Amino acid sequence: EVQLVESGGGLVQPGGSLRLSCAASGFTFSSYWMHWVRQAPGKGLVWVSRINSDGSSTSYADSVKGRFTISRDNAKNTLYLQMNSLRAEDTAVYYCANFWGGYWGQGTLVTVSS
Amino acid sequence: QPVLTQSSSASASLGSSVKLTCTLSSGHSSYIIAWHQQQPGKAPRYLMKLEGSGSYNKGSGVPDRFSGSSSGADRYLTISNLQSEDEADYYCETWDSNTRVFGTGTKVTVL
Repeated sequence: EVQLVESGGGLVQPGGSLRLSCAASGFTFSSYWMHWVRQAPGKGLVWVSRINSDGSSTSYADSVKGRFTISRDNAKNTLYLQMNSLRAEDTAVYYCANFWGGYWGQGTLVTVSS
Repeated sequence: QPVLTQSSSASASLGSSVKLTCTLSSGHSSYIIAWHQQQPGKAPRYLMKLEGSGSYNKGSGVPDRFSGSSSGADRYLTISNLQSEDEADYYCETWDSNTRVFGTGTKVTVL
């Protein structure tokens, strides 16, 4: 059974940092590009970032470029999102996803507030 | 990059059919899209990939009631024999070399 399990969300003050993790199982993690998608409360889905299968290429939405860093550890089957200089507008549920395989995680909530 | 346009809401009676539309922006009419379902309070779920030819490939466990079709820049998701559990938000999604793009979603209400 394929599983994507996010963790690391929580309450953080504006300007703070947080690192999200996504543990993958049930498929060959190292073969797939992976993505982060977020959803602000009551809003739609917004793509955040992607990384290729070996981690050598990344891409970001303009809204997070320069503040967020996506990475992966294929030996640990884990995807990461390092989020720095957080703003109130980054408040959202963050999902990891394997779009090629059609898999979504359950999401982790990040709240940026003082 | 492509832009996807969806209507905000749709409704239909239990047991009937509903057809959702996702329109690709000018210059992107040949793009493949994907449909995702998000039931209230849950994570999104992948439904299918849909090509401009109308050929589609559904995800594992997606009921036969869900089907896709295409016409020009329009991509459709049809839900037949509508069930109460089909009440959800439906998002189309596409991609280019560096980004993924979602439509704004259509909220389906089962009457």
